[in-house]
This record gives sequence, C-alpha cells and structure tokens, in this order.
Amino acid sequence: DVKVTQSSRYLVKRTGEKVFLECVQDMDHENMFWYRQDPGLGLRLIYFSYDVKMKEKGDIPEGYSVSREKKERFSLILESASTNQTSMYLCASSFLGRNEQYFGPGTRLTVT
Amino acid sequence: SQKIEQNSEALNIQEGKTATLTCNYTNYSPAYLQWYRQDPGRGPVFLLLIRENEKEKRKERLKVTFDTTLKQSLFHITASQPADSATYLCAGGEGNTPLVFGKGTRLSVIA
Repeated sequence: DVKVTQSSRYLVKRTGEKVFLECVQDMDHENMFWYRQDPGLGLRLIYFSYDVKMKEKGDIPEGYSVSREKKERFSLILESASTNQTSMYLCASSFLGRNEQYFGPGTRLTVT
Repeated sequence: SQKIEQNSEALNIQEGKTATLTCNYTNYSPAYLQWYRQDPGRGPVFLLLIRENEKEKRKERLKVTFDTTLKQSLFHITASQPADSATYLCAGGEGNTPLVFGKGTRLSVIA
C-alpha cells in the first residue's frame, strides 16, 4: 500500500511564526504536491515538484515556499504565518506520467 | 482558465438507489478524468480514471463515463449504501501536468 504521511494532524501557530509542514512518501514517486483545502474553495495547488531539488509554483504560491532535498520528502514552509493561512493542508504524490495521486491524511493548521 | 465544475454541492439519495454525480470541464480538453472520494477530515482517495478515448469504465458498483462532446463525466454508484456517504471530487489532467480539481459533491445516502 502506498503511504503518504504528514508530520502533524493538527497544528496551532501564532501569527508571524515560521511553520514547517513535512510530507514523506514511501513509493518512490517522482511527483509531489502541496494543496490547501478550504470550504467552498476546494483543493488549491500551492507548489509541486517533479524531481529532487525541483519545484514549480501552483495556483497560490504567495506566502509559501517548499523544499525537496530527497525524493521521498517534500516540505512546505510558511515563512511568516498569517491568519489567512489557517486551512487544511494536503500533500500528495504520484508516479511521473501516471497522475492518480495518493494523498496524506492532511494537517489542519490554525494560525492565531 | 481551465475549470472543472461539479454542479451539485450536495446530493441526497435513498439507500439502494443509483447516485449520479456530474462533472463538466471548460476551457480545456483533459486527456483523462479522475474521481476521488474524500471523507471528513481525511485526504482524498483515488477511485477511477477514465481516458478521453474511453466511453465508460466500471469498478464494482462504480461506473464513470466520459463524453467529449458534452464535455462531461458522469459518476454513478449503483445500489448505494450509507457507507458511500462522502464528498466526491472530479479532477482533469493531461500528461504530467498538475490535476485540475472540482470543488466536490457531498453525497448523503439515507437509510
């Protein structure tokens, strides 16, 4: 079974803090993705990566950065958390050229 | 911009009936469409993929169609059960580009 794990299920941070969300997959997938999901807005793509050290902006990259130093790990960084970044964050991975995505359980981040 | 639209935000049906969910796409031609199931507080789970040259695909009680003329996919769950209650997401894609997701339809199967 493909497994995508995320470092935390729930996280509470203060405005201005630097936040790291980690995602690890165990299926040797080339592609990895970070989404946020908000009621009424659906899944929105923040960043994605096709390979180690590669990253591409998604639809809403502002306020976020990413890091992919190893194939199995993709980190999302909120440089200075703001209240409008309160959301459910979902990581996903897939094989190159096969786009069924495998999602992690999600991290519900609250910024106060 | 490329759009995937799932017209119904919510759908209620009686147990045992067939649930039919609709997905329309605009401003692009996806090479394939995918359907995912998402339970509250969880990540989406992949269910089915159908390519543009396939008319219909089945998996157990699930059936999905792809109509390139209508620019639409229909997702059917036959003999629906309360356990099928969830949000179902449609997504379109081409090649290795990121998927475009719809906002989902929340299905409630009432016993």
